[in-house]
Amino acid sequence: AQSVTQLDSHVSVSEGTPVLLRCNYSSSYSPSLFWYVQHPNKGLQLLLKYTSAATLVKGINGFEAEFKKSETSFHLTKPSAHMSDAAEYFCVVSALRGGGKLIFGQGTELSVKP
Amino acid sequence: NAGVMQNPRHLVRRRGQEARLRCSPMKGHSHVYWYRQLPEEGLKFMVYLQKENIIDESGMPKERFSAEFPKEGPSILRIQQVVRGDSAAYFCASSPPIGGTDTQYFGPGTRLTVL
Repeated sequence: AQSVTQLDSHVSVSEGTPVLLRCNYSSSYSPSLFWYVQHPNKGLQLLLKYTSAATLVKGINGFEAEFKKSETSFHLTKPSAHMSDAAEYFCVVSALRGGGKLIFGQGTELSVKP
Repeated sequence: NAGVMQNPRHLVRRRGQEARLRCSPMKGHSHVYWYRQLPEEGLKFMVYLQKENIIDESGMPKERFSAEFPKEGPSILRIQQVVRGDSAAYFCASSPPIGGTDTQYFGPGTRLTVL
């Protein structure tokens, strides 16, 4: 069965410093992995998606994630945090190859200090 | 191209009443998914539907909850005889019919409060 574990429930960074949000996955096959962002009282926005075409995936708003099979990780990074990045971030895996339900991590709340 | 639309955005019900949540998928999308987000938790899958078919309802509570996606009109998530524990944000997502069906686009959610 597929699963994801977000290693930090809360991350706090200063504006202009790098962001690292950690995610490990478990999958019996090469998975589809996603990062979504949720701003307070809003819906979820897709940041990026990995589907085996390239291990380094670039997303919106300067975020990127690297798929490391040997470490079963899919960490999300950004070189320089902006105040508007403060939100909840979810690492997500597709339960089935090619479609169907998504399995969400517990989320990481990112705070950005001025 | 309008995104996934959900209404109402906020819904207040008293215990024992019925709640109906609506979801209109993105244009051209024929797959709809419902997820529930309880306070301080991640999203949990409830049900996956295509037009007039329930594909996967493994996440649906056994009682009081039902979902449909008719040939015409929005998808409906129906909760009968609501209880306080049903208070949550309910999100709908949609995906296209051909290829990339594991990329889902989410609506803004319906926040249900049961008094």
